[in-house]
Amino acid sequence: QQPVQSPQAVILREGEDAVINCSSSKALYSVHWYRQKHGEAPVFLMILLKGGEQKGHDKISASFNEKKQQSSLYLTASQLSYSGTYFCGTDPGAGSYQLTFGKGTKLSVIP
Amino acid sequence: DVKVTQSSRYLVKRTGEKVFLECVQDMDHENMFWYRQDPGLGLRLIYFSYDVKMKEKGDIPEGYSVSREKKERFSLILESASTNQTSMYLCASSATRSGKNYEQYFGPGTRLTVT
Repeated sequence: QQPVQSPQAVILREGEDAVINCSSSKALYSVHWYRQKHGEAPVFLMILLKGGEQKGHDKISASFNEKKQQSSLYLTASQLSYSGTYFCGTDPGAGSYQLTFGKGTKLSVIP
Repeated sequence: DVKVTQSSRYLVKRTGEKVFLECVQDMDHENMFWYRQDPGLGLRLIYFSYDVKMKEKGDIPEGYSVSREKKERFSLILESASTNQTSMYLCASSATRSGKNYEQYFGPGTRLTVT
C-alpha cells in the first residue's frame, strides 16, 4: 500500500519554508526522499533510518518518527531550484529490497 | 559518475506487439527495478531483481515479464502491448549491504506510447 503524502501540491515564493509529510499504514525500517524535476529522472535526497534520525541536505532536512510511521521533509528558505515533485519511498525492512513510493508532492517556487 | 541507461527515450508501438525495454547499470549493483510513472499515481513498482536470474513481482506485474541474465542488465517485456500500458517507464538500481537498502539511481526513462 502506497504511503500517503501531503500536501499534493504547494506553491511558494522564494525564501519561504515548506513541509511535506509522508505517512504509512505499515511499520517502517527507513524512509527515502527523492526529488524529480520536470522531464528528468528522480534523484535521491536522503535516507532516514529507524531511531528518529534527522538528516540534512543543503537547506533541506527531514525527520522520521517510526512510532507514528511518519516522515516529514523540511525545505527552508526555498530557492527556485527546489521546484519539482518530491517522493517519499518507504522500506519495511525485514529483508525487503524494495521501496513503496507515495504519489508525490509537486512543489513550485516562484520569484 | 554512476549511470543507469535505458535503451530508448521514446517508443511508439502498436497494440499486440511484443515490446522490450532494456536497462543497463555500471555500478555493480545487486538490485534492479522497473517502475511505471503515471500522472497522479507516483512511481509504481512492476518487478524487481535482487540477483542474476532472480526476480520478484512488484505491485503491478500483470501484463509484464522481466529478464536478468547479467548483473548489469535488466529487461522489461510487454508480451502483447495494450493501450493501457502507455506510460513512462523508469529503471533503477541500488546496492544492498548488511541487509540495508541504499539509495536508488534512476535512468532517464522511456516514454512508451501504444496505439
